[in-house]
Amino acid sequence: GDSVTQMEGPVTLSEEAFLTINCTYTATGYPSLFWYVQYPGEGLQLLLKATKADDKGSNKGFEATYRKETTSFHLEKGSVQVSDSAVYFCASQGNTPLVFGKGTRLSVIA
Amino acid sequence: EAGVAQSPRYKIIEKRQSVAFWCNPISGHATLYWYQQILGQGPKLLIQFQNNGVVDDSQLPKDRFSAERLKGVDSTLKIQPAKLEDSAVYLCASGQSPGLRNEQFFGPGTRLTVL
Repeated sequence: GDSVTQMEGPVTLSEEAFLTINCTYTATGYPSLFWYVQYPGEGLQLLLKATKADDKGSNKGFEATYRKETTSFHLEKGSVQVSDSAVYFCASQGNTPLVFGKGTRLSVIA
Repeated sequence: EAGVAQSPRYKIIEKRQSVAFWCNPISGHATLYWYQQILGQGPKLLIQFQNNGVVDDSQLPKDRFSAERLKGVDSTLKIQPAKLEDSAVYLCASGQSPGLRNEQFFGPGTRLTVL
């Protein structure tokens, strides 16, 4: 079945550091890909998405590019802030319901 | 626009007891989902409703879990009897249409602890 693998955390960065969280997927067909974010005490929020190969999703300074050749959707941000501290989930949705990775906890310290 | 509402936010019960969770989706959203999120893992779909009908309940442990959405709006998820391994956050989400590629909006979740 479909699956999503993302890098394990926790990831701890200093403010203004560069962030990369790796995500790869296996799916039949061409799924849509998502990054969700979960801030402490809150529900999951959609951060960005891409629906076809080479699409780039972006939001709040975060970016991810749908790479069909490497089946990847890595999340990047050029300069993280303390307020970015959260758990980030990569997810895939093809001909199945949403499938999530295990999540990566990011802590940004001032 | 109000988001997805869930209650209670926290629940602690002993094993073999029963528990119920409630979800009110975003107004007008036809599709409703229940997910189980065990600590350290991503959410796993338990059941999907389209209006008041079940679309997918293949991962719902039907011997102890049940869910309903009688009027196609609110939904209730029940566990009877609970086991220790049911300790998790139960997330409700809703979407505008049944299309697999449409965005889902998540509620804050109910954190269940089974002792």
